[in-house]
Amino acid sequence: QVQLQESGPGLVKTSETLSLTCTVSDYSISSGYYWSWIRQSPGKGLEWIATINYRGTTYYNPSLKSRVAISVDTAKNRFSVKLTSVTAGDTAIYYCARYLGNGFYFDFWGQGTLVTVSS
Amino acid sequence: QSALTQPPSASGSPGQSVTISCTGTSNDVGGYNYVSWYQHHPGKAPKLMIYEVTKRPSGVPDRFSGSKSGNTASLTVSGLQAEDEADYFCSSYAGSNYFFGTGTQVTVL
Repeated sequence: QVQLQESGPGLVKTSETLSLTCTVSDYSISSGYYWSWIRQSPGKGLEWIATINYRGTTYYNPSLKSRVAISVDTAKNRFSVKLTSVTAGDTAIYYCARYLGNGFYFDFWGQGTLVTVSS
Repeated sequence: QSALTQPPSASGSPGQSVTISCTGTSNDVGGYNYVSWYQHHPGKAPKLMIYEVTKRPSGVPDRFSGSKSGNTASLTVSGLQAEDEADYFCSSYAGSNYFFGTGTQVTVL
């Protein structure tokens, strides 16, 4: 059973950069599949942020693309996301998940981590 | 960007069936057979229940079934059980994007 665990600051100041890491257990990222970040906010519901594969090929939500960067560290079996110039609208629960590109679905998710953006 | 529309709530007594709808457009739900459904107990990791409209992952009871007609996908839970009480959300591939539903809270009466 693949396990994913999000980690990072729970509070980020307005205009700064939000950085989160997802550590994967019981599966080697280098073995394949894609890896994604998704967030859930009260105002916008669930929103796909970005996806990356083990080779580093990236895919971004067009509405966030200018502020987001996703990366993968196969040596540490984890992947990360950075979101720049955050505002209160970026306050959300952030989830990481494994994504199956051939069927376009997320088969394993982390429990999520709440990030609050405040001045 | 727009979310897929789901009813906010649905309910049924134990043993009954409940059906949740997920309405999108021809650019997402209607355009691809890549609708998936997730069960979410708050504070826990969401769980995949249905993928590619009708397929069930290993371990998901056959009480859960999915279908699609036009721009609307549906999840049916038959023989409701207490542990089915949770939030459910749909998702759909949309070309260069990926949309999620607004979520439905299912209550077992």
